[in-house]
Amino acid sequence: GQQLNQSPQSMFIQEGEDVSMNCTSSSIFNTWLWYKQDPGEGPVLLIALYKAGELTSNGRLTAQFGITRKDSFLNISASIPSDVGIYFCAGPPLTGAGSYQLTFGKGTKLSVIP
Amino acid sequence: EAQVTQNPRYLITVTGKKLTVTCSQNMNHEYMSWYRQDPGLGLRQIYYSMNVEVTDKGDVPEGYKVSRKEKRNFPLILESPSPNQTSLYFCASSLGSGRGGSDTQYFGPGTRLTVL
Repeated sequence: GQQLNQSPQSMFIQEGEDVSMNCTSSSIFNTWLWYKQDPGEGPVLLIALYKAGELTSNGRLTAQFGITRKDSFLNISASIPSDVGIYFCAGPPLTGAGSYQLTFGKGTKLSVIP
Repeated sequence: EAQVTQNPRYLITVTGKKLTVTCSQNMNHEYMSWYRQDPGLGLRQIYYSMNVEVTDKGDVPEGYKVSRKEKRNFPLILESPSPNQTSLYFCASSLGSGRGGSDTQYFGPGTRLTVL
């Protein structure tokens, strides 16, 4: 299947700092999704992006759909301890089945130092 | 409360002993899916279902079976488990409107399976 390259793999930041992570693909995506997984839980959708160039915010989170449709980034401003977790990008590959499959990046593990 | 439930949450079994992990959603969602999560590999889709009696393979279907006889249930079956199927498994569901899998997917709490 298609692969999503997510970076960085892990981050250690000080509380209050801003965070940026990104996701790239060798092929075009029509949708970019960002999920967060808390320890011991299933992933939860944070932001969905549907148009190239789209910039969407959800509280302290901002995500953008790259113009080339091959990348996306997620920013977290003024990080707090509860931001700890694994962040995944995901998207449906362009297959004959439509957008029913999701490919996930390998995740960015975020640690926040109080 | 809208939710996806999985059972069991933890399971230790031996090679070759058939097992089923159940998944149920109470949101009348059309789309359901199974993923496995392994360290360094992220989430990989095993099987998905677009509606009752409609299932298809994901990226890593080998060694797994699924069925969708009712809209709310989507069990994952391992006919002959092997140690390389030791993993954390997640079931997910979504409304299944025009955006298909890019709808908000609600994930279950996970099932940690160990095959000895």
